[in-house]
Amino acid sequence: AQKVTQAQTEISVVEKEDVTLDCVYETRDTTYYLFWYKQPPSGELVFLIRRNSFDEQNEISGRYSWNFQKSTSSFNFTITASQVVDSAVYFCALSDEAMEYGNKLVFGAGTILRVKS
Amino acid sequence: DAGVTQSPTHLIKTRGQQVTLRCSPKSGHDTVSWYQQALGQGPQFIFQYYEEEERQRGNFPDRFSGHQFPNYSSELNVNALLLGDSALYLCASSVERVGNEQFFGPGTRLTVL
Repeated sequence: AQKVTQAQTEISVVEKEDVTLDCVYETRDTTYYLFWYKQPPSGELVFLIRRNSFDEQNEISGRYSWNFQKSTSSFNFTITASQVVDSAVYFCALSDEAMEYGNKLVFGAGTILRVKS
Repeated sequence: DAGVTQSPTHLIKTRGQQVTLRCSPKSGHDTVSWYQQALGQGPQFIFQYYEEEERQRGNFPDRFSGHQFPNYSSELNVNALLLGDSALYLCASSVERVGNEQFFGPGTRLTVL
């Protein structure tokens, strides 16, 4: 069965600090996809990144970077020089090919990030 | 290009009533998924529709049903509402393919009294 664990319930940082959000996943499939979504107070989930299981290259997009390590089943997300606008709930999610059709997402419980000015 | 839209934004119902939530997918998307997000939790998958058929379902009772129309829009129906059905209901659309990213709407906040 698929499972995503985000052990950090809530993180508080001061603006300009770097912060890393952890994500550990479980799946029996060899082909799977990992995602990060941001949920600001408005409630709408905003897609940030998708990574497939065959691509372990780390990715950087502006102040955001992602570290995918299959050996530890982790897909961690780092925000460099955090800003107040980064305050939100961040979700890690997994989709695998265990099902014949469909691409349901299995979400972690989320990490609340509070960035103080 | 309009994103995923949902209606209504908020809804208040009483126990035992029935409710219908609506979703229009992003332009070009043919697959619609519904998720339930209880307060302080991650979204939970309810079901997914493609080509007007439910092709995948999460661990939700039959009180939860849905429909997809030829224009790819979708409805989520919940019968015999319980207090525990109070949640944010999120609709997501995607292009049919395993692993494709799903784009979410703003959600419908359902309160059951």
